[in-house]
Amino acid sequence: QVRLQESGPGLVKPSETLSLTCSVSGYSISSGYHWAWIRQPSGKGLEWIGTVYHTGSTFYNPSFKSRAVISVERSKNQFSLKLTSVTAADTAVYYCAKGVPFDPWGQGALVTVSS
Amino acid sequence: DIVMTQTPLSLPVTPGEPASISCRSSQSLLDSGDGNTYLDWFLQKPGQSPQLLIFMLSYRASGVPDRFSGSGSDTEFTLKISRVEAEDVGVYYCMQRIEFPSTFGQGTKLEIK
Repeated sequence: QVRLQESGPGLVKPSETLSLTCSVSGYSISSGYHWAWIRQPSGKGLEWIGTVYHTGSTFYNPSFKSRAVISVERSKNQFSLKLTSVTAADTAVYYCAKGVPFDPWGQGALVTVSS
Repeated sequence: DIVMTQTPLSLPVTPGEPASISCRSSQSLLDSGDGNTYLDWFLQKPGQSPQLLIFMLSYRASGVPDRFSGSGSDTEFTLKISRVEAEDVGVYYCMQRIEFPSTFGQGTKLEIK
């Protein structure tokens, strides 16, 4: 059974970089599939951030204006998200998910942007 | 970006009764090349992360009860629950992935009367 777990700082200062890691168990990232990051501001809907293929190719939501970088670390069976120049509007629960379709999802990590 | 519009936004349902959620896309989600429709449905139960219910219009994800069904074509889609149970409460989202960026509907909150 594939499981995903997000981890990273829960508090980030404005203008700094948000960094999250998704640890995958039960499946080797190197074997295939796509791996995605999705976020959900409190009380709001879902927003796709980007996807990395097992090959390392990436696709991003243009709304993040090149602030997002997703990468794979095969040796650790993890993939990560870095979001630069954060503002309060980036406060959200961040989810990682396997594949297309997105299944399963991690439990989510709340990141608050505040000084 | 493809805009996904769900109706209704709130759906009170009596247990045992059917329920239906509509989703409309601003562009066709039918890939004429492979014949697939790239529309998925998710359920986010209270306090949980979203879970996949239906993928590619009408295929139920593993473990999803057969009371859930997806249908539609091109730009109009429907998620139906034949008989609502208490465990079905939560927010339902449709999502398109025919083109980047993948986009979600606003969500439909199903509650038990």
